[in-house]
Amino acid sequence: DTAVSQTPKYLVTQMGNDKSIKCEQNLGHDTMYWYKQDSKKFLKIMFSYNNKELIINETVPNRFSPKSPDKAHLNLHINSLELGDSAVYFCASSQLPTGSGYNEQFFGPGTRLTVL
Amino acid sequence: RKEVEQDPGPFNVPEGATVAFNCTYSNSASQSFFWYRQDCRKEPKLLMSVYSSGNEDGRFTAQLNRASQYISLLIRDSKLSDSATYLCVVNSSRGKLIFGQGTELSVKP
Repeated sequence: DTAVSQTPKYLVTQMGNDKSIKCEQNLGHDTMYWYKQDSKKFLKIMFSYNNKELIINETVPNRFSPKSPDKAHLNLHINSLELGDSAVYFCASSQLPTGSGYNEQFFGPGTRLTVL
Repeated sequence: RKEVEQDPGPFNVPEGATVAFNCTYSNSASQSFFWYRQDCRKEPKLLMSVYSSGNEDGRFTAQLNRASQYISLLIRDSKLSDSATYLCVVNSSRGKLIFGQGTELSVKP
């Protein structure tokens, strides 16, 4: 009965490759997010979707492309991977968009990406 | 200046101790505030929201000072299981959560 799930949990790949990370939530939430947590532990938002519509798009290289086929899924595709992309990527969901005050976000277990 | 600043620690305390973490935020228009907990190699989870009047949940007390743009978390009677990183989180006026770097707590027997 996992709430927010991500696959894969670990991803090791070579520079220049293209890879995808998948995220699914079974909480019935309308809003989903992608975060990046770097080696210094800062957690930063990358994208947010509400009902399959992009609502937050931070300054992220356009090699990163999110896709939301339905409101329960938000996938992240990364082209031409670089060494600096190595990080832990967390998917999250919430019932309402972030701007709606006290609104808990539920995080997936994370995908640890290592680019060699 | 970072939008949300925390002392990264680590704070090393004995079981039973009381420990306090502080956090400052730069955007005076921020509307909602949280403490999340992140265990080693795990995802963040909401510990508690922080309301203007201050709030308590068992051994945990959160305070907000809007004038000083300052948030605190007090943990009483620390347990070994409290060892984790505590993330101060602010809902920015642009509708996104801004996370602090986190404060690492290690509770020793």
